[in-house]
Amino acid sequence: QSVLTQPPSVSAAPGQRVTISCSGSSSNIGRNFVSWYQQVPGTAPKLLIYDNDKRPLGIPDRFSGSKYGTSATLAITGLQTGDEADYYCGTWDSNLSAVLFGGGTKLTV
Amino acid sequence: EVHLVESGGAVVQPGGSLRLSCAASGFTFGDFAIHWVRRPPGKGLEWVSLISWFGETTYYADSVKGRFTVSRDNTKSSLFLQMTGLTTDDTAFYYCAKDTFYRGFIGQFDSWGQGTLVTVSS
Repeated sequence: QSVLTQPPSVSAAPGQRVTISCSGSSSNIGRNFVSWYQQVPGTAPKLLIYDNDKRPLGIPDRFSGSKYGTSATLAITGLQTGDEADYYCGTWDSNLSAVLFGGGTKLTV
Repeated sequence: EVHLVESGGAVVQPGGSLRLSCAASGFTFGDFAIHWVRRPPGKGLEWVSLISWFGETTYYADSVKGRFTVSRDNTKSSLFLQMTGLTTDDTAFYYCAKDTFYRGFIGQFDSWGQGTLVTVSS
């Protein structure tokens, strides 16, 4: 069982908006940066969001991240069928001295 | 362009050992911490280990502590994971991933390899 909690699945129609939540605690999300990753089956994970809300070069602004307290959210607008993938949040846990990932959320478009 | 290539994955019997390698290019390897992350079949991502940019600091997930050892050779831009006492729970794709933080670590990964498959089975 993951220390970071994500919904197992979300779904929405093409063109719509979806959000994925990630809930943690004061020792992880509450005091460290959150990142988000997309993994299409059979491929390596890809960084979508870092430092809570920053996008790497090449990631479209349809993807956005936010953090409030001990929770973080990934929002995807203008959904495309190509967005179907597993999405993971991640952060450092200062008490465990370890990186934590959420359990992953499967997005269906 | 940053490039990470894992190798060494294989089928191994329970209790066995294996050494994974990760070859890096496209960046100054010695300036960044590198992590190992795995994904077991049908499950989510699990962080395994991290080694700091100069190799003086290492951290491990509780599930592998005492069994896995991470090391690096900055002169060869290479990362290694020595795995011993393997169990079926260690079956997974293993990825090396570059930390985003220059000469530190923050646990965010901006580049990943394609992964190498480790299967523990009798």
